[in-house]
Amino acid sequence: EPEVTQTPSHQVTQMGQEVILRCVPISNHLYFYWYRQILGQKVEFLVSFYNNEISEKSEIFDDQFSVERPDGSNFTLKIRSTKLEDSAMYFCASRPSGANVLTFGAGSRLTVL
Amino acid sequence: GQQVMQIPQYQHVQEGEDFTTYCNSSTTLSNIQWYKQRPGGHPVFLIQLVKSGEVKKQKRLTFQFGEAKKNSSLHITATQTTDVGTYFCAELSGGYQKVTFGIGTKLQVIP
Repeated sequence: EPEVTQTPSHQVTQMGQEVILRCVPISNHLYFYWYRQILGQKVEFLVSFYNNEISEKSEIFDDQFSVERPDGSNFTLKIRSTKLEDSAMYFCASRPSGANVLTFGAGSRLTVL
Repeated sequence: GQQVMQIPQYQHVQEGEDFTTYCNSSTTLSNIQWYKQRPGGHPVFLIQLVKSGEVKKQKRLTFQFGEAKKNSSLHITATQTTDVGTYFCAELSGGYQKVTFGIGTKLQVIP
């Protein structure tokens, strides 16, 4: 069964450092998403991406965050200058056109020290 | 935007007992989805409900969408230890189908 693949599975970084989280969505999917989940809390929407541009973003997704689809297969989330409160599990998800079901990756755990 | 409220936040049941989680909205929902997240895992889609009063079943799981499309429920009959996890309801919104999750109900099944 097709999967959404995320790397790294766990990243530890110092506060103020830049982090890039990578995702490979399912190949025929056209809509891409990033969500985050702080430990023990709910899954929060960050951003959706379609046709090479951001289609919607939440209040969490401020100027420190950016997304990119650099090469037609990868979908990346960059955090420019990490803060302690950015520590969370970050999930990538994708869906095909015409279907509302999101397929999530296994997540990237980010720990900011 | 709209926000769905989910109750209870936590539920412990003895194996074999039934379990129900509820999702409520102050406004009419166009549709609602349910996801399950196992401990340490990622959300996995279970079902989508679209029609008023719709009821769908998946083995021991029964999903219901209220007549007014403002509430939904997930009922598990005779829970098993494999049912452990957090169950989220989620609403779709926006032209790009943003999925907004409720706070979730964490189910613990005691063997």
